[in-house]
Order: sequence, then C-alpha cells, then structure tokens
Amino acid sequence: DAGVTQSPTHLIKTRGQQVTLRCSPKSGHDTVSWYQQALGQGPQFIFQYYEEEERQRGNFPDRFSGHQFPNYSSELNVNALLLGDSALYLCASSTTGGRGGYTFGSGTRLTVV
Amino acid sequence: ILNVEQSPQSLHVQEGDSTNFTCSFPSSNFYALHWYRWETAKSPEALFVMTLNGDEKKKGRISATLNTKEGYSYLYIKGSQPEDSATYLCAFRNAGGTSYGKLTFGQGTILTVHP
Repeated sequence: DAGVTQSPTHLIKTRGQQVTLRCSPKSGHDTVSWYQQALGQGPQFIFQYYEEEERQRGNFPDRFSGHQFPNYSSELNVNALLLGDSALYLCASSTTGGRGGYTFGSGTRLTVV
Repeated sequence: ILNVEQSPQSLHVQEGDSTNFTCSFPSSNFYALHWYRWETAKSPEALFVMTLNGDEKKKGRISATLNTKEGYSYLYIKGSQPEDSATYLCAFRNAGGTSYGKLTFGQGTILTVHP
C-alpha cells in the first residue's frame, strides 16, 4: 500500500505566480484534507474535500482553492503567491468521518521567492 | 479559536531515559485526540487516536493517557532509543458543528535521544 502520495516534493515559485499541488489518498480512503505547516508551527487546517466538494474550510483566503476528483485524488491551488505562502503543505486522507484516523503524506515544500 | 499547547517545545535525553510530554486542549466539545510521530523528511506517523476520558493506549515502549475533563494528554516513552528522535505532535478534533473533521495541532515537541 503506497499510503498518501504527494507531488511534487519541492517547488520554487515567484511572487504573484500560481501553483498546483497534488495528492493521491491511501487506498480505501475517500476524504482528503490539506494542511499548511509554517516553520516552527504545527500544521494548520486549510480545507477538507469529500464527494468532490469542499466540506470544511479553515482560516485561509480565497487564493487557496482545491478540487477533488472522482478517484478521490485532490489538488490544492494557490493563486497570487506571497512570500508568506512558503511552507510545507501536507495532505491527509481518511475514510468518511475519520474514525480510523488520518494518514499523511510527506508533504510538498513550497518556496516563494 | 481552539488552542492546543504542547510542552516542552524540545527535549534532549540520554539513551535509556524515560520521558514524557504534555498536550493541553479545550475541555469542551471533545471528539478525539490524535498523537503523531514525525521524523524529518518523512510523513507524520499516527501513534494513537484517543476518544474516551481515561483512555490509556500503548504501542511498544510508547504509551499515552487522556483526561478530557481537564483537557490534557500525556505521551510517555520508556527507555528512549536514538530512533525515537522525532517531533511528536498532538491534534485535537472538535465534536460536530463547523469543525467536524478538522484537526487542530499543537506546535509539537522535538525529542532528541543521545546515544
């Protein structure tokens, strides 16, 4: 079982650009959540997708958007990148309701210059 | 705004020492408390999902306790080994409402075990 797969592992972008990060959930999982981890902080919840819809959202601006596909994989899009968007972006998958816990990927390191 | 605090921020111990860390979380609207172990350049590894007040869970040399009434959880490592060196994260999950499914993380405790 490949667990949660994220791509790319590292990315460098320029301020103002747009970026798309990708996540394939663990086999059997249908719910995907995205987290941002800035240096020295714990991961912060961005949003969660289930049945191809955003089910819940954290305190992130509309520049952050996402998508979930019929095969449960997901994308995180960030528009008009700011230097402060530099962080590790983690994807977590779970079954509906998350009773079995969450499985995390190893993240995408985004650097905005 | 939910506040999840972990202490200490970092910890250095010698191989063979036993150690413990604390996670504090809101005592109301509790649904679950998660513990993760996170090694550098790897994905966070789930250790425990704790749901009931008084829960005690064990995985090898690592164990955890839960007190939902006072809002804290302890993680214990018995006989620390260098391979236990990692960041240990706790995450609180709120019951229902608009927070359903969201994990609120503490900032983590960085453990370094010296040979």
